[in-house]
Amino acid sequence: SSELTQDPAVSVALGQTVRITCQGDSLRSYYASWYQQKPGQAPVLVIYGKNNRPSGIPDRFSGSSSGNTASLTITGAQAEDEADYYCNSRDSSGNLGVFGGGTKLTVL
Amino acid sequence: QVQLQESGPGLVKPSQTLSLTCTVSGGSISSGDYYWSWIRQPPGKGLEWIGYIYYSGSTYYNPSLKSRVTISVDTSKNQFSLKLSSVTAADTAVYYCARDCKYYDSSGYQINWFDPWGQGTLVTVSS
Repeated sequence: SSELTQDPAVSVALGQTVRITCQGDSLRSYYASWYQQKPGQAPVLVIYGKNNRPSGIPDRFSGSSSGNTASLTITGAQAEDEADYYCNSRDSSGNLGVFGGGTKLTVL
Repeated sequence: QVQLQESGPGLVKPSQTLSLTCTVSGGSISSGDYYWSWIRQPPGKGLEWIGYIYYSGSTYYNPSLKSRVTISVDTSKNQFSLKLSSVTAADTAVYYCARDCKYYDSSGYQINWFDPWGQGTLVTVSS
């Protein structure tokens, strides 16, 4: 299967921890990467590989993976973390890209 | 620091061909370390991977768009381009170009990520 499934919406209280998940068969073979997108802006890479953060991404963002599920965890969510989050990986062949449907994160 | 910039018409008529170019600055598209991707996002919807190209010209396309998509590269201009034929209103979207990074970790697992992205360009299909 080349599909990645995300919950459409998740909410978290300010300062609390939230986990955003991404499920798909291809995640058993390929790591997910995660992107944050705020309204009117291009997506920004926040996590890639096992648990790698690009320069400039706060360390409250972390990634993990188990079986067919990849997770993005925000520990101590801030108001500025409110955004859409997308996971991405390859399909089972390793050649084709596929995105999850996205999760809208609301920080209460 | 590598930067990408999309350019092309913002309005395309139905049944015509959408053409966009991505100009890469701050790095060479011929370095061989990366692939170069197109991704789109219809208004209010999620991201859709369109396809990617390697500097040598080899390509991979989303199966759902494969019959209508052509991605090409011009290494002399440090650019890559997207053509999408027979467009309809469903092709109205913000189109992004992005550098497609591929790496194998110590366990042999393939890691892929898109970084950086262009700012995106809105293409509307309408008569």
